[in-house]
Amino acid sequence: DAGVTQSPTHLIKTRGQQVTLRCSPKSGHDTVSWYQQALGQGPQFIFQYYEEEERQRGNFPDRFSGHQFPNYSSELNVNALLLGDSALYLCASSFPGGSNTGELFFGEGSRLTVL
Amino acid sequence: AQSVAQPEDQVNVAEGNPLTVKCTYSVSGNPYLFWYVQYPNRGLQFLLKYITGDNLVKGSYGFEAEFNKSQTSFHLKKPSALVSDSALYFCAVRDKGSGGYQKVTFGTGTKLQVIP
Repeated sequence: DAGVTQSPTHLIKTRGQQVTLRCSPKSGHDTVSWYQQALGQGPQFIFQYYEEEERQRGNFPDRFSGHQFPNYSSELNVNALLLGDSALYLCASSFPGGSNTGELFFGEGSRLTVL
Repeated sequence: AQSVAQPEDQVNVAEGNPLTVKCTYSVSGNPYLFWYVQYPNRGLQFLLKYITGDNLVKGSYGFEAEFNKSQTSFHLKKPSALVSDSALYFCAVRDKGSGGYQKVTFGTGTKLQVIP
């Protein structure tokens, strides 16, 4: 049973560029959440997708956007990259909403470096 | 909004000694509390959760946590620390967001260093 998979694992971009990160949830999960973890910090909630719609959003600017596909996989897009966007981006999946007690299953993350 | 606080940036403990990593919470209503562990350059792994029932919750790798409602605490414990327990530990709380959808909010993390 495959867990949560994320790609790419590492990438380097320059300021002003755009990036797309991808996530496939654990089998049987339909809810995907994205987190940003800066070096030495705790994960910060970006947004959550369920049934292909953004259901909740954290305190992140509109440069951060996402998408969920019918197979429950998800993308995180960041436009007009800033140096401060350098971080580990974590995808987490969870059980269907009605039985969601909050336990999250995380991928290994995508390490983004903005130069 | 719900929140958790981890007052210690780092905890050092000798191998074989008991360990405690502290967490306090602020919630309205019944809390759903969690502990996660993160090894270097890895994602987070779920350790244990408290939803309801016994105040002492047992989890993975011999860890347990004690829920204390009067002190609003949810401290992580282990009777005998291993060097391999050295990692970053996060306390988390389920937060009731908009539209009834839940999100999980994490603390700032505590680095556990087990000294051989």
